[in-house]
Amino acid sequence: ETGVTQSPTHLIKTRGQQVTLRCSSQSGHNTVSWYQQALGQGPQFIFQYYREEENGRGNFPPRFSGLQFPNYSSELNVNALELDDSALYLCASSLALAGLKTQYFGPGTRLLVL
Amino acid sequence: AQTVTQSQPEMSVQEAETVTLSCTYDTSESDYYLFWYKQPPSRQMILVIRQEAYKQQNATENRFSVNFQKAAKSFSLKISDSQLGDAAMYFCAYMWSSGAGSYQLTFGKGTKLSVIP
Repeated sequence: ETGVTQSPTHLIKTRGQQVTLRCSSQSGHNTVSWYQQALGQGPQFIFQYYREEENGRGNFPPRFSGLQFPNYSSELNVNALELDDSALYLCASSLALAGLKTQYFGPGTRLLVL
Repeated sequence: AQTVTQSQPEMSVQEAETVTLSCTYDTSESDYYLFWYKQPPSRQMILVIRQEAYKQQNATENRFSVNFQKAAKSFSLKISDSQLGDAAMYFCAYMWSSGAGSYQLTFGKGTKLSVIP
């Protein structure tokens, strides 16, 4: 069974740039959620994708957007990067309709905005 | 609003001893799920244990167990026979439905657990 993978592991961007982060879900999982974890904080929910559509969103501006592909992998795109976007971005996959809906996390992408 | 509170920013335990991490949450829902995740310095968020709110029996996974008090909205984690590898940040998380079939996690701020040899 393949776990959740994310790429890249680290990324450095400058303010105003755009970034794309990638996530491959765990084998058999059809739902992907993205979280932002600032230093010293718990993760904050960005959005969730199911059947290639966003079906839930946290308190993040529209410059945070995403995609889910037919193979259930996903991308997180952030436009017009701000210094406060520096964080660890976590992807989690789960199986919709499963009783417990447990989310399994990838290793994360560390983004630094200068 | 759903909130999760972990009142202990840091805890320490002697190797082989037992430690309990506290978590309280606020919700008006009757059906939800609770989780404890562990995040070592490697950053990977690892599932430790999970609990369905409708189950009265406390969940147990080897050395890890929970004390789930639904009326008090309390969900503490007990680690028995602590090992050096248990040192990590521990996050309590509440899962709820935000509608349209979406289930999201709300996390506490975490408790940093140190294990003393």
